[in-house]
Amino acid sequence: AQTVTQSQPEMSVQEAETVTLSCTYDTSESDYYLFWYKQPPSRQMILVIRQEAYKQQNATENRFSVNFQKAAKSFSLKISDSQLGDAAMYFCAYRSPNSGYALNFGKGTSLLVTP
Amino acid sequence: DAGITQSPRYKITETGRQVTLMCHQTWSHSYMFWYRQDLGHGLRLIYYSAAADITDKGEVPDGYVVSRSKTENFPLTLESATRSQTSVYFCASSEQGFSQFFGPGTRLTVL
Repeated sequence: AQTVTQSQPEMSVQEAETVTLSCTYDTSESDYYLFWYKQPPSRQMILVIRQEAYKQQNATENRFSVNFQKAAKSFSLKISDSQLGDAAMYFCAYRSPNSGYALNFGKGTSLLVTP
Repeated sequence: DAGITQSPRYKITETGRQVTLMCHQTWSHSYMFWYRQDLGHGLRLIYYSAAADITDKGEVPDGYVVSRSKTENFPLTLESATRSQTSVYFCASSEQGFSQFFGPGTRLTVL
């Protein structure tokens, strides 16, 4: 099974600043997808951004962007202009086409946003 | 209501009792999933289903049973609940190749 590692259990950022959350994964597959999900205190899992492995261009969704380094098996999330509402748990996830499209999650990074 | 719903949202039960967690989606997605979330473990896959009457085990299937007689429903049953099954359970659905969408979760406590 693929392993997803989030090495930062907690991160802190000031409002309006930029923060980067790290994620690495281990796989021998060439065709896969990577995701970042946000889980606020409400517990709802919210899709933030996704990246197809075959695409070289990094995905971007408004203030959220990724740095996808396929050879290094790295998939970091950058949040620009951080807002108080960005405070949440962030999960990196890997999806293989060979396991029913199920997601394999990292253990998460808790992001604190300070005024 | 459109989307994916789970019931109950909270459940307290006793060791040895049977518990069924319900999941319903209105998108007619082919794929449905059950995950459990525990501190220090992130989310782990229990079972998934690629279509009605097709299910398969995930990473942590022991003690759980699933069925999928209709595309829109994917119930998860704990046949004899144990304290180690105290967790938050998430149901999710997706169409093949597309992103997964999650239900609001069920917090289950086994005393």
